Amino acid sequence: EAQVTQNPRYLITVTGKKLTVTCSQNMNHEYMSWYRQDPGLGLRQIYYSMNVEVTDKGDVPEGYKVSRKEKRNFPLILESPSPNQTSLYFCASSLSWGSGQYFGAGTRLSVL
Amino acid sequence: GQQVMQIPQYQHVQEGEDFTTYCNSSTTLSNIQWYKQRPGGHPVFLIQLVKSGEVKKQKRLTFQFGEAKKNSSLHITATQTTDVGTYFCAGNNAGNMLTFGGGTRLMVKP
Repeated sequence: EAQVTQNPRYLITVTGKKLTVTCSQNMNHEYMSWYRQDPGLGLRQIYYSMNVEVTDKGDVPEGYKVSRKEKRNFPLILESPSPNQTSLYFCASSLSWGSGQYFGAGTRLSVL
Repeated sequence: GQQVMQIPQYQHVQEGEDFTTYCNSSTTLSNIQWYKQRPGGHPVFLIQLVKSGEVKKQKRLTFQFGEAKKNSSLHITATQTTDVGTYFCAGNNAGNMLTFGGGTRLMVKP
């Protein structure tokens, strides 16, 4: 079954404790992306990747890192989480830039 | 940077009534996509429009892309309770970023 898998689905952490949210897709998609969704602000792009070893900043990259060492995986790293990073995060992938994206189920993060 | 505005923010309709959401971009788009997100769920891709003036239909849903490729609309005919959710437009410009509108939350009274 074609899918985008995010882990964990829920995470509560404390300020400053490094964390990684994993994202994996099984569709051999080139384009992958991370979004955060906040009430009243819609979906905002954090980082995206056009292909392996190619990543670029989206609208709100501050405080986040990503890597794309393999085509299927695109982890999101928060080196030193802060409370303003409490949000619902979605990973997405698409065959190429510009085509419709498949979203993961989401990761709800709370930073205390 | 590119901005994509969507109106209305919320819409309550009686089941059977029609519904329309509008999307406006500050810049010319190369294409526009529409997504639906059910309460508690994740966005699901509905359709992509590429050509100026393009109109596409999916059963009761009609999607339009403006002649100037800066605006789009989604119209649902005779809403059903299964249409409940938030509808997002998302625009691709000449760069590689996808910018989402704020979404329109549709509520349908049975």
